[in-house]
Amino acid sequence: SQQGEEDPQALSIQEGENATMNCSYKTSINNLQWYRQNSGRGLVHLILIRSNEREKHSGRLRVTLDTSKKSSSLLITASRAADTASYFCATVGGYQKVTFGIGTKLQVIP
Amino acid sequence: NAGVMQNPRHLVRRRGQEARLRCSPMKGHSHVYWYRQLPEEGLKFMVYLQKENIIDESGMPKERFSAEFPKEGPSILRIQQVVRGDSAAYFCASSRQGETGELFFGEGSRLTVL
Repeated sequence: SQQGEEDPQALSIQEGENATMNCSYKTSINNLQWYRQNSGRGLVHLILIRSNEREKHSGRLRVTLDTSKKSSSLLITASRAADTASYFCATVGGYQKVTFGIGTKLQVIP
Repeated sequence: NAGVMQNPRHLVRRRGQEARLRCSPMKGHSHVYWYRQLPEEGLKFMVYLQKENIIDESGMPKERFSAEFPKEGPSILRIQQVVRGDSAAYFCASSRQGETGELFFGEGSRLTVL
């Protein structure tokens, strides 16, 4: 299965701190994506990193990908209370099948 | 430009009834995915379709569940003879053909089986 596994499953930090979430997967991928889900809502795409890329930035987000270790990390810098949500990694394999991990629940305390 | 539309947002059924969940993809998107989510859990892949074709249904239970994406109209996820274990949020997402797989999600349909 390509399903990613995020860790930690839950993370609680103070506003202004950085939050780091990790994702591991099992098979080869075309790209890896991170999504955010607010409670009771649909998922929103945050950032995509291709299999031949090692690092990517978007605003306060930084994603790394290590294909040799089959792992990725998402760093949110200078966190805000509004960043409180669940974060999921998703792997994209053959035929564009998109498989999600179990998620990290982030709480940012004001 | 409307996003992915799912309806109904909430559906209550009694055991043994049928549930039909509908998903209209974003304009210009030809691929639709269905996922199931239990409370406090991740998204479990169910099925991936393009118009008039099922690409991957490896996550669909063999019985009672079916999905279609006709040439005209929304994609439908159909659950026959529902049981309490079918209670969950069902999310639909769409993407463009031939692109990287970035998905655009609807707000989900929450099924409760009494």
